[in-house]
Amino acid sequence: KQEVTQIPAALSVPEGENLVLNCSFTDSAIYNLQWFRQDPGKGLTSLLLIQSSQREQTSGRLNASLDKSSGRSTLYIAASQPGDSATYLCAVNLANQAGTALIFGKGTTLSVSS
Amino acid sequence: DGGITQSPKYLFRKEGQNVTLSCEQNLNHDAMYWYRQDPGQGLRLIYYSQIVNDFQKGDIAEGYSVSREKKESFPLTVTSAQKNPTAFYLCASSSRFGGGYTGELFFGEGSRLTVL
Repeated sequence: KQEVTQIPAALSVPEGENLVLNCSFTDSAIYNLQWFRQDPGKGLTSLLLIQSSQREQTSGRLNASLDKSSGRSTLYIAASQPGDSATYLCAVNLANQAGTALIFGKGTTLSVSS
Repeated sequence: DGGITQSPKYLFRKEGQNVTLSCEQNLNHDAMYWYRQDPGQGLRLIYYSQIVNDFQKGDIAEGYSVSREKKESFPLTVTSAQKNPTAFYLCASSSRFGGGYTGELFFGEGSRLTVL
């Protein structure tokens, strides 16, 4: 059974730091992987979607990479800001189970201090 | 604006009552999903639907029911059989590609249910 793990569960950094959030999955046969952001009491906002054939995707200060062979994805946040404080979740879509739902990690809660 | 609308945002229920959470999307997506979120447990899938008039149970379907009579609507009923219904409920939708694979997932703002 596919499992998605995000370590650490929480991370605190000072403003301006570059940081990396990690996502690992046990089954490398994925169709795509998606990163989300969730603010307290809110829904999830899609940040980046990486297809299995892609190595990375970029949006502004965010860069997500995908290494299927090692079962890992990273979300790189450049020049962090207090407004980046939120919980970041990754989710995978299995390649051999079309029509099923995404499998989520439990998230990393990021706190950026000014 | 295209998006997913969940209502109500906050809902209080007495024990023994059924309640229905609304989810409407105008993104023309085929697939819709209901997740439950509890502190420290991440998102857990309740039900999902790939097309109108069809839906499948997720990991924690007991005590819940859904319908998919229209493409844009996927209401969730929390029945009295659900023993611990207090939680944050999230609805999502996505497009579907050939082979049935889903595209980017979009979420509503959530509904917080509290049992009194």
